[in-house]
Amino acid sequence: AQSVTQLGSHVSVSEGALVLLRCNYSSSVPPYLFWYVQYPNQGLQLLLKYTTGATLVKGINGFEAEFKKSETSFHLTKPSAHMSDAAEYFCAVSLQGGSEKLVFGKGTKLTVNP
Amino acid sequence: GAGVSQTPSNKVTEKGKYVELRCDPISGHTALYWYRQSLGQGPEFLIYFQGTGAADDSGLPNDRFFAVRPEGSVSTLKIQRTERGDSAVYLCASSHEAADTQYFGPGTRLTVL
Repeated sequence: AQSVTQLGSHVSVSEGALVLLRCNYSSSVPPYLFWYVQYPNQGLQLLLKYTTGATLVKGINGFEAEFKKSETSFHLTKPSAHMSDAAEYFCAVSLQGGSEKLVFGKGTKLTVNP
Repeated sequence: GAGVSQTPSNKVTEKGKYVELRCDPISGHTALYWYRQSLGQGPEFLIYFQGTGAADDSGLPNDRFFAVRPEGSVSTLKIQRTERGDSAVYLCASSHEAADTQYFGPGTRLTVL
């Protein structure tokens, strides 16, 4: 069975600083990996996804993530945080060619300080 | 274009009552998913429809929960004999086809008193 672990339920950074949100997964077969963002009182919005091919994936709003099979990781980064990045971020996994359901981590709440 | 819509946005009910939650997917999307998000947790899968049929209902917690999608578009999640532990945000998502990107609605916040 797949699972996702997000290290750090809360992360706080200063505006302009590097954002690093950690995600590790467990899967017995090659996974599809996703990062979603949830702003207050809004639905989940896809930031980026990895399916196959290039392991460095670029998403919206300047975010990117790198799939590292050897580390079973898919950490999310952004070089310079903006106040508007404050939100909750969820990492998710699904099976390639298998179940279409997403398995989510517990989420990381990002705070950006001025 | 219009995204996934869910109604109502909030539902307060009493323990033991029956509730229905509605999801309107993006037009043309054949796949529809229901998830439940409890406080402080990530969304948890409930059920997935491909067209009118439930292709995977392994996430439904018990037989009090049931979902339908009779015409392959709108879906209704039905909860019988609600319990306080059912309180959560119920999320609906749709995708053009199975395994495509899932687009989420804003959710229905269910509170069982």
